[in-house]
Amino acid sequence: DSGVTQTPKHLITATGQRVTLRCSPRSGDLSVYWYQQSLDQGLQFLIQYYNGEERAKGNILERFSAQQFPDLHSELNLSSLELGDSALYFCASSVASDYEQYFGPGTRLTVT
Amino acid sequence: SQQGEEDPQALSIQEGENATMNCSYKTSINNLQWYRQNSGRGLVHLILIRSNEREKHSGRLRVTLDTSKKSSSLLITASRAADTASYFCATGLNSGGSNYKLTFGKGTLLTVNP
Repeated sequence: DSGVTQTPKHLITATGQRVTLRCSPRSGDLSVYWYQQSLDQGLQFLIQYYNGEERAKGNILERFSAQQFPDLHSELNLSSLELGDSALYFCASSVASDYEQYFGPGTRLTVT
Repeated sequence: SQQGEEDPQALSIQEGENATMNCSYKTSINNLQWYRQNSGRGLVHLILIRSNEREKHSGRLRVTLDTSKKSSSLLITASRAADTASYFCATGLNSGGSNYKLTFGKGTLLTVNP
């Protein structure tokens, strides 16, 4: 158990819908990262937050957004969902940038 | 691209043998990390090696880093069936102001046969 929790574990929704994925980092970790893992693209970095502020952006679509709240939990919002958004979404946390990251169990999103 | 590329893509060995996986990358890095993933589950951090380090050990794991060749290797000694998993190298670059990106390779699928 990494100490990082993610909810829900599974999510099935239809195209065009909007979903919110939630992540609680390890106690004491200030950095939160979101990743998308799919068979064709592999593991792709989406976005990083540090102590409530966005710090780095990767291959995140404009239809996706995220935020980190004062209690350091984070949410990833995915809107206007397409079939190609079906993937595993991982959240990870670290005590600070440039350190090892601890991954949650992931949310498996299926868009039908 | 900063992305690491693991080699081989798949590796099958017998229990007790050593497994070596390689990673190559193209740009400067601050550190390089190795992770393990069991099928469909979350990634588990194995080792982080910084750009000024050449070798690190953790239990049965040994990681080397050659920044001049932009390559790293992960050696698992005396492998066990439980080591069966995908192994990823990830290159880390800090662009300042806590702006840190970790870029993962496609992974090596290791199968350890009992």
